[in-house]
Amino acid sequence: QQQVKQSPQSLIVQKGGISIINCAYENTAFDYFPWYQQFPGKGPALLIAIRPDVSEKKEGRFTISFNKSAKQFSLHIMDSQPGDSATYFCAASRDNDMRFGAGTRLTVKP
Amino acid sequence: DAGVIQSPRHEVTEMGQEVTLRCKLISGHNSLFWYRQTMMRGLELLIYFNNNVPIDDSGMPEDRFSAKMPNASFSTLKIQPSEPRDSAVYFCASSPPYGYTFGSGTRLTVV
Repeated sequence: QQQVKQSPQSLIVQKGGISIINCAYENTAFDYFPWYQQFPGKGPALLIAIRPDVSEKKEGRFTISFNKSAKQFSLHIMDSQPGDSATYFCAASRDNDMRFGAGTRLTVKP
Repeated sequence: DAGVIQSPRHEVTEMGQEVTLRCKLISGHNSLFWYRQTMMRGLELLIYFNNNVPIDDSGMPEDRFSAKMPNASFSTLKIQPSEPRDSAVYFCASSPPYGYTFGSGTRLTVV
């Protein structure tokens, strides 16, 4: 049962462009929404996270937009760089029960 | 992440053999999670422990899989007997107050 749906599956962006990855969730009990970044051969690493009481959170070039009524949230990467090329996972959790999206493989071309 | 250490990094075994994956945590984290990652199914939660007690093992594929957490800093995931479809990367993660810290994973190949 896929509780978190993520799109697109893969994304190619030119250097300097904006990368946008979208996620939707079903369970309204979720109260924590993180994004993870995974490089080949490594485990996922926490990138940025948001709670449903705010609609946006920005950390450097990374921004989460959250729409509670639509049960959707997205990651925006501004001024995308080749070093951002990785797989990105959205997730939703409550009480340590975390469910992940299927992942988006981002490639930033120089 | 240095706070979650998994071993071995790679494991190749023959079908039918027993496989044991290990996870060592930094102290102070109450929860531990085992995930499996494949291209087809992404990251799947297998089981998680809170204060060394299994809380939810509904993700464990079948009885061939078992997990233990004998103390607050160590856990094992055992597959007996292993099958080729068990080939995947297995991650252990701990849970500080917010977010997870993942280990580097164990890549298991069952031939």
